[in-house]
Order: sequence, then structure tokens, then C-alpha cells
Amino acid sequence: DTEVTQTPKHLVMGMTNKKSLKCEQHMGHRAMYWYKQKAKKPPELMFVYSYEKLSINESVPSRFSPECPNSSLLNLHLHALQPEDSALYLCASSPSGGPLGELFFGEGSRLTVL
Amino acid sequence: AQKITQTQPGMFVQEKEAVTLDCTYDTSDPSYGLFWYKQPSSGEMIFLIYQGSYDQQNATEGRYSLNFQKARKSANLVISASQLGDSAMYFCAMREGAGGYNKLIFGAGTRLAVHP
Repeated sequence: DTEVTQTPKHLVMGMTNKKSLKCEQHMGHRAMYWYKQKAKKPPELMFVYSYEKLSINESVPSRFSPECPNSSLLNLHLHALQPEDSALYLCASSPSGGPLGELFFGEGSRLTVL
Repeated sequence: AQKITQTQPGMFVQEKEAVTLDCTYDTSDPSYGLFWYKQPSSGEMIFLIYQGSYDQQNATEGRYSLNFQKARKSANLVISASQLGDSAMYFCAMREGAGGYNKLIFGAGTRLAVHP
């Protein structure tokens, strides 16, 4: 079982809805990540939080709003999304940067925007 | 800019045989790390193996080994004694940056099918 838990596993929303994706880890990791993965494509980095501060925003549209309430939780708030935002959203965590420090991924939240 | 290339969209292997998945990379940074992840149809990305640029020996983890050829900038994954459960998408990734996080850039991936 993965130690990074993502909820919900599946989400269907309309373009006017507001929803949130949640990610939780209890491994004491201090870096957390959101990746977006379209079908048959590799994951693409969206955001990185390090020690609860936003370190990277890969020019993600403002309709995606990340939040890191504490070191164990990472949210992705969704508002006014477009159908092309339909994808698998993967959360990951890592102990830190540097050697090894592999990313541990959750199972993802599969989002469909109608 | 760093770049990861996986040139094999799909690979087939017979159960119990070995298979090599190719990965080449490009970076001007002398310090870097290379990762391999497996993604089954469930969606989860499963870490398999890591190779650091200064590591003298090729990394091994059980049935997985990494054929690291630094001069050729290649980091191929070798899976020995393939099993049906190895059927999945495999991604090679490179670590970018330093500090309190690891920014991973992924290659396009290789879909492996293991036949009985």
C-alpha cells in the first residue's frame, strides 16, 4: 500500500464547480509535489512545496491553487476548470533534495471536467 | 536545459527472460541523479532504482539493475527474469536542482508487455 494517500480517487466536475484534491503523508517528508499526467504522457510537474512553502510553480494557470496547511497535507483547489484539464493528478513527497531522496507517489486522483 | 529520452514506445518480452529499457539523458550539471519508476494501470508511480552521477558502481535492486554509461549519457534499466506483473509503463527520470526538494523530469516512457 502506498504511504501517500490521495482523495478522491475519481472526480467528475463541471466547468463552474469548485472542488479540491487532497494528499496526505505521514512519513515526515518535508517536500511535497503535484504532478499532472495526461493519458499516454509522462507526469508533468505543477507545484513543489518545501518545508510548507511554495518553491516551484511551473507557470500553472490560476484556476489551480495549491495549499500546504501543514507538513503532512497538500491540497489542490480547482475552480473554473476546462475540459482539457482532465487528467490524472499525482501527489508525491520526498524526504528532501539531494542524493536519493526519491519521490513517493500516491495512486492519483483521476479528474474529468465536463 | 536537462532532457530525458526514451526511444522505445513499447517493448515485448517473454516471461522469465531479461529485458533492457533504454534511457539517455542530457545535462551540463556534473551532479545529477537518475531514477526509474514503474506505473501499472492503477496509476501509482512505483520507485524502482536510483543512480547518482558520482556512483562508481551500477545500481541494483533485486531483479532490477541499471546499466549506467556516463560517457554515453545512458542509464538503461535491465529487468531480469521477467514476470507477468512487470507489465506496466516504465519512466526514466532525472533530478534537477538542489536544496530541500527533488524536481524530477520524466522521459516519455516505455510500455512493457510480458507474455506467458
